[in-house]
Amino acid sequence: DGGITQSPKYLFRKEGQNVTLSCEQNLNHDAMYWYRQDPGQGLRLIYYSQIVNDFQKGDIAEGYSVSREKKESFPLTVTSAQKNPTAFYLCASSDPYRDRTEAFFGQGTRLTVV
Amino acid sequence: AQSVTQPDIHITVSEGASLELRCNYSYGATPYLFWYVQSPGQGLQLLLKYFSGDTLVQGIKGFEAEFKRSQSSFNLRKPSVHWSDAAEYFCAVGVAGGTSYGKLTFGQGTILTVHP
Repeated sequence: DGGITQSPKYLFRKEGQNVTLSCEQNLNHDAMYWYRQDPGQGLRLIYYSQIVNDFQKGDIAEGYSVSREKKESFPLTVTSAQKNPTAFYLCASSDPYRDRTEAFFGQGTRLTVV
Repeated sequence: AQSVTQPDIHITVSEGASLELRCNYSYGATPYLFWYVQSPGQGLQLLLKYFSGDTLVQGIKGFEAEFKRSQSSFNLRKPSVHWSDAAEYFCAVGVAGGTSYGKLTFGQGTILTVHP
């Protein structure tokens, strides 16, 4: 089945450490996104990529980094510069060449700083 | 910049009752509008979407939504709620462009509780 796989489902990080969240899709979508979800705040866009080797900052990119070396993969690194990294992270993808379509979401990674 | 407001943080209804979740958006042109649903600890599932044309759109699980340009609203409705509808619901707006379907602005979400 086609879809988006995020791993791990739960991740614990010590303060001062960098961690990388994985996002893989087999939908053959060119565009991929990372969102952060906090209770009562909805989802906020961290980074997005429209094509391989290209990505842009979203609304809350500070303290995060991404890469897009392969079409199917869009890993997110939460750096030690992110002051409050504990949150639920969602990866999504979409096909920008298909009309009237939507974004598809993964099952999320819950990151906790300990 | 666009914005989305969901005025109700938490709504409680009885099973079998009707439901309306409110969504107001701010955007200068015709937006792309979406309703997603999220079960606890899970990802988002699309309920329905609006791009243009007929202002009443049908979605999955018996949900529908109506786009009202004059009120900048896109409210979600269901005539009879089931206990399995308990979840958090998000309204989102996208703008024209290559990433319009995924570069979204979300509302704060509405948590739906269903009493038996």
